[in-house]
Amino acid sequence: AQSVTQPDIHITVSEGASLELRCNYSYGATPYLFWYVQSPGQGLQLLLKYFSGDTLVQGIKGFEAEFKRSQSSFNLRKPSVHWSDAAEYFCAVGAWEGGGNKLTFGTGTQLKVEL
Amino acid sequence: DTGVSQNPRHKITKRGQNVTFRCDPISEHNRLYWYRQTLGQGPEFLTYFQNEAQLEKSRLLSDRFSAERPKGSFSTLEIQRTEQGDSAMYLCASSHWGGGTEAFFGQGTRLTVV
Repeated sequence: AQSVTQPDIHITVSEGASLELRCNYSYGATPYLFWYVQSPGQGLQLLLKYFSGDTLVQGIKGFEAEFKRSQSSFNLRKPSVHWSDAAEYFCAVGAWEGGGNKLTFGTGTQLKVEL
Repeated sequence: DTGVSQNPRHKITKRGQNVTFRCDPISEHNRLYWYRQTLGQGPEFLTYFQNEAQLEKSRLLSDRFSAERPKGSFSTLEIQRTEQGDSAMYLCASSHWGGGTEAFFGQGTRLTVV
């Protein structure tokens, strides 16, 4: 069975600083990997996804993530954080048999941005 | 395309009552998923449909839970004899079939059992 670990429950960064959110996954085959963002009381918005090909993927709002098979990691990065990025971020792995969208999520990382 | 729509957005019910939630997926999406999210946790998979067929149910889905997707369009999730532990956000998502496709989530229904 697949699993996702997000080791950082809370992260605080200053506006304009760089950001890296960690994600490690466990899955027996080539994974489908996703990063979602959730604002309070809202649903999930997809930031980016990795299915195959280039291991560095670009997403919306200036986010990018790098798939490293050897480390079973899919860390999310942003070079300069904006105050509006404050939210909860979820990494997820998709099971192939579900069309890639039967998702297993991590417990999330709450991002706080200091002005 | 208005995205995935879930109703109601909030539901407060007394323990022991039955509740039903509705999800309207993006039109022509043949896959529909239900997830449950409790406070401080990531969403957990409950079940999914391809068209009208329910293809998988998580062990989280006890006998008190039932989901349907008649005619392969909207879906309903019913919880019978609600318990306080059922309090959570219930999220619906839809997608096209096949690997390499992304799921689009609704805004969820927050259930509070008192």
